[in-house]
Amino acid sequence: AQRVTQPEKLLSVFKGAPVELKCNYSYSGSPELFWYVQYSRQRLQLLLRHISRESIKGFTADLNKGETSFHLKKPFAQEEDSAMYYCALANAGNMLTFGGGTRLMVKP
Amino acid sequence: DAGVIQSPRHEVTEMGQEVTLRCKPISGHDYLFWYRQTMMRGLELLIYFNNNVPIDDSGMPEDRFSAKMPNASFSTLKIQPSEPRDSAVYFCASSLWTLAGGRTGELFFGEGSRLTVL
Repeated sequence: AQRVTQPEKLLSVFKGAPVELKCNYSYSGSPELFWYVQYSRQRLQLLLRHISRESIKGFTADLNKGETSFHLKKPFAQEEDSAMYYCALANAGNMLTFGGGTRLMVKP
Repeated sequence: DAGVIQSPRHEVTEMGQEVTLRCKPISGHDYLFWYRQTMMRGLELLIYFNNNVPIDDSGMPEDRFSAKMPNASFSTLKIQPSEPRDSAVYFCASSLWTLAGGRTGELFFGEGSRLTVL
């Protein structure tokens, strides 16, 4: 069985502060991991995937197989980063399992 | 393309009534997913289809829930009879499986159908 855990339901930081949204997973196969984001009044959308190894809107995420983690990081948070963030894991059958989500609030 | 289209956007009904949620995936996509979002449980996968065939419905909570995909451009999620605990936002998403490097296709979500069962 595959499982994704996001331990924080809410994360509140000040603008300019570093932010790290935690994600841990359990999966017996080779994981494909993603971060999806839902801004207010917008659709849930892909932010980044671990395979791409890219930075999107200043966010990065590194897959750590030893710790089974895929934490999302940004060195300097912006107010427009306030949103709901979901970590997700895909199995070999293209089935995506989402974590419970973390609401990020960036205060001015 | 207008993206994944869901209807209705909002539905308020009374306990015991039948509810039908509809989804039109992005043209050409071969996977369709139904998710339920609640504050307590986040996003739960209910069922997904590949080329109109249900692949995994283990997330469907009980027999009151059923989903169909009669063709590549339409899917329904039906709840009969509905109960207050079914109140949630139901999302439909579609994707295109790519075999290039064995990568999973990006999921494109609809705007969701907010269901309230009184």
